[in-house]
Amino acid sequence: GENVEQHPSTLSVQEGDSAVIKCTYSDSASNYFPWYKQELGKGPQLIIDIRSNVGEKKDQRIAVTLNKTAKHFSLHITETQPEDSAVYFCAATSRGSARQLTFGSGTQLTVLP
Amino acid sequence: KAGVTQTPRYLIKTRGQQVTLSCSPISGHRSVSWYQQTPGQGLQFLFEYFSETQRNKGNFPGRFSGRQFSNSRSEMNVSTLELGDSALYLCASSTDTGSYNSPLHFGNGTRLTVT
Repeated sequence: GENVEQHPSTLSVQEGDSAVIKCTYSDSASNYFPWYKQELGKGPQLIIDIRSNVGEKKDQRIAVTLNKTAKHFSLHITETQPEDSAVYFCAATSRGSARQLTFGSGTQLTVLP
Repeated sequence: KAGVTQTPRYLIKTRGQQVTLSCSPISGHRSVSWYQQTPGQGLQFLFEYFSETQRNKGNFPGRFSGRQFSNSRSEMNVSTLELGDSALYLCASSTDTGSYNSPLHFGNGTRLTVT
């Protein structure tokens, strides 16, 4: 089955700096890669996703890049703000839909004011 | 539009008991998935229901079961509870249009503690 590895497990950045979280996946058939943000006491919230036919996608301060050859994808957050502090999860699926996801282990991002 | 609603938010049960968790999907969403979240194992897929039928199942023992009703609401049941079942159980819904344009939307979960 699919295996997703996520690094780093914790990340501290100064407010205004950029943060990068990286994930690798094992199943070359995976073709959908969402990123979720989970705040304390809440469920994961989708922040951005990318399909395998796209190399990069941006949404304001958030961007995701995908390298299918190397089987890795990354989340980039620019101009970080304290409200970006949360746990971020990457995920992948090869099931032909977005519903059965294999998640990474999560990254605790702390943005220091 | 209201989000995914899970009840109850917290549960405390004793080993050997059984428990039922409830999930109301976003209006119009026909697919409901369940995930278990623990510090050790992370987020793991339990099962997915669509049109009252289980469509996918993760690698969990038969003590974990679920069902979906005609109004798309779903319940999951865990029988003969074990200490290791203590976790946050997350429900997610999607429109399931058959494409990637129907991502998962999660509820805030039910925190189950088994003593």
